[in-house]
Amino acid sequence: QKEVEQNSGPLSVPEGAIASLNCTYSDRGSQSFFWYRQYSGKSPELIMSIYSNGDKEDGRFTAQLNKASQYVSLLIRDSQPSDSATYLCAVNTGGGYNKLIFGAGTRLAVHP
Amino acid sequence: ETGVTQTPRHLVMGMTNKKSLKCEQHLGHNAMYWYKQSAKKPLELMFVYNFKEQTENNSVPSRFSPECPNSSHLFLHLHTLQPEDSALYLCASSQEMGREGQPQHFGDGTRLSIL
Repeated sequence: QKEVEQNSGPLSVPEGAIASLNCTYSDRGSQSFFWYRQYSGKSPELIMSIYSNGDKEDGRFTAQLNKASQYVSLLIRDSQPSDSATYLCAVNTGGGYNKLIFGAGTRLAVHP
Repeated sequence: ETGVTQTPRHLVMGMTNKKSLKCEQHLGHNAMYWYKQSAKKPLELMFVYNFKEQTENNSVPSRFSPECPNSSHLFLHLHTLQPEDSALYLCASSQEMGREGQPQHFGDGTRLSIL
């Protein structure tokens, strides 16, 4: 069974620090990877997508992908209390279809 | 502002009731999805529609019945639900199912409680 694993947290970081969120996946055929942010009681919001090995930066967010290690991460620089949310890792199952497998999410708490 | 709208936002129903959840997307997408999100569990894919045709039924009990009259609208008809069906039901859309790598965009969900 194809799986996506995340540490449930909570990951607690001080304001201004770098938050590092990690995700591993089991399907070696996966080619597309997404990070979603979900505030309590709200829907998942897409914040990053990454398709190639290496780093992809967008503002304070950097996604990192290592397909050989089946590992994808999200770094949040200069963390703010407003970044406190659950971060969901989603991996495309491959095979040419747009079907995502989600991790259970990591809860991030940024404290002032 | 969301391009995917779900109604109602909250629903409380008894086990013998029949109700429907509605989803509408304004993004010009052709694939629509129903997910179930229970506390501390990953999102579970329930159904997928691509160009109005159902392409995935992830072993969902028959008390959940989806309907997709066109690429912009998706319904989930509910009947004779069980207490364990209480969850957040999320609708999502993407450009199309047959193109890998397309991001899925979510509605705000319906919080369903079964008495």
